[in-house]
Amino acid sequence: EPEVTQTPSHQVTQMGQEVILRCVPISNHLYFYWYRQILGQKVEFLVSFYNNEISEKSEIFDDQFSVERPDGSNFTLKIRSTKLEDSAMYFCASSFSPGLAALGGELFFGEGSRLTVL
Amino acid sequence: GEDVEQSLFLSVREGDSSVINCTYTDSSSTYLYWYKQEPGAGLQLLTYIFSNMDMKQDQRLTVLLNKKDKHLSLRIADTQTGDSAIYFCAEVSGTYKYIFGTGTRLKVLA
Repeated sequence: EPEVTQTPSHQVTQMGQEVILRCVPISNHLYFYWYRQILGQKVEFLVSFYNNEISEKSEIFDDQFSVERPDGSNFTLKIRSTKLEDSAMYFCASSFSPGLAALGGELFFGEGSRLTVL
Repeated sequence: GEDVEQSLFLSVREGDSSVINCTYTDSSSTYLYWYKQEPGAGLQLLTYIFSNMDMKQDQRLTVLLNKKDKHLSLRIADTQTGDSAIYFCAEVSGTYKYIFGTGTRLKVLA
């Protein structure tokens, strides 16, 4: 069964360092997303991406964050200068279409990348 | 703004029914979802309901929607140890944005 894969599964970094989290969405999917979950808190929407551009982003997704689809398969999240509060589990997701699960809008999630900022 | 609230923990005995509750705020949400996360895995879609329905049944799962109170619940009948997981309620805001709750950690006691 096709799946979304994420690397690394866990990354530890020093405050101020740049981090790139990688995702390989399901191959025929067109919409890509990043979510994060700080320990004990809600799964928060960061950004959605379609047709090589950001469709929507949240207030969390400020100038230190960027996303890219550098080739036909990878979807990356870059954090330029990490802060302690960026420590979280970051989930990548993809879908064939937005919104309605019955019409292919189901989100398929990866297992997550745990980021620890020291 | 949009918000989804869930209790954090639920513990039930094997064979009993589990009821996981959720409240949401966006009355324009067209679809409401339940996702399940097993240990070490990503979130997987469990079931969903359209906002014009008040109940949906799918084998052991029953979803109830009270639009007036913006309350969604997931009932799992005959809960099994394999049902132990984190269950996330989500609403869709706009076209692209899923709003999730904290997740409810269900523990099934043998």
